[in-house]
Amino acid sequence: GENVEQHPSTLSVQEGDSAVIKCTYSDSASNYFPWYKQELGKGPQLIIDIRSNVGEKKDQRIAVTLNKTAKHFSLHITETQPEDSAVYFCAAFLYTGNQFYFGTGTSLTVIP
Amino acid sequence: SQTIHQWPATLVQPVGSPLSLECTVEGTSNPNLYWYRQAAGRGLQLLFYSVGIGQISSEVPQNLSASRPQDRQFILSSKKLLLSDSGFYLCAWRPRGNEQFFGPGTRLTVL
Repeated sequence: GENVEQHPSTLSVQEGDSAVIKCTYSDSASNYFPWYKQELGKGPQLIIDIRSNVGEKKDQRIAVTLNKTAKHFSLHITETQPEDSAVYFCAAFLYTGNQFYFGTGTSLTVIP
Repeated sequence: SQTIHQWPATLVQPVGSPLSLECTVEGTSNPNLYWYRQAAGRGLQLLFYSVGIGQISSEVPQNLSASRPQDRQFILSSKKLLLSDSGFYLCAWRPRGNEQFFGPGTRLTVL
């Protein structure tokens, strides 16, 4: 199966600074990599994703990069705001098993 | 547009009591459906997934079961709850593409 590792587990940044969260995966058959934001007491919300045939994708202040050779992908948040504070999860989709494999989450705190 | 519903939102049950959590999806047909549990902390544990009516795959052996009686309905059940069943239960759906979307979740406390 697939193994997804996520770092760091906690991250604090000053408002306006950038935040970077990194994930690695083990199975080269994984072909889709979403990122989720989860606020307290709510379900995870899909914020950005990337497919294996793309190296980078950007949506306003959020970007994701993928290095297939090294089997790692990262979430970049620029100009962070207090409302970015949440737990972020990465995931890898292994089409052979029809399943998502999740990282253990990163608790991001943006300090005003 | 597609939406996903879960109920109840919160539930407090005694040990040994039965459980039934329901998830329904609107605005789509033949989705893949998933049940996850999130214990205190953050990790997401896949419990069951279904690719169609009556088709259930179990990922973790436990005292929970799942059923899919209709195309857009996914039910999580237990005959006798354990203390360790407490957690945040999330239903998710995936259309015949890649994206997966989560419902609002059910907070279950077993006392």
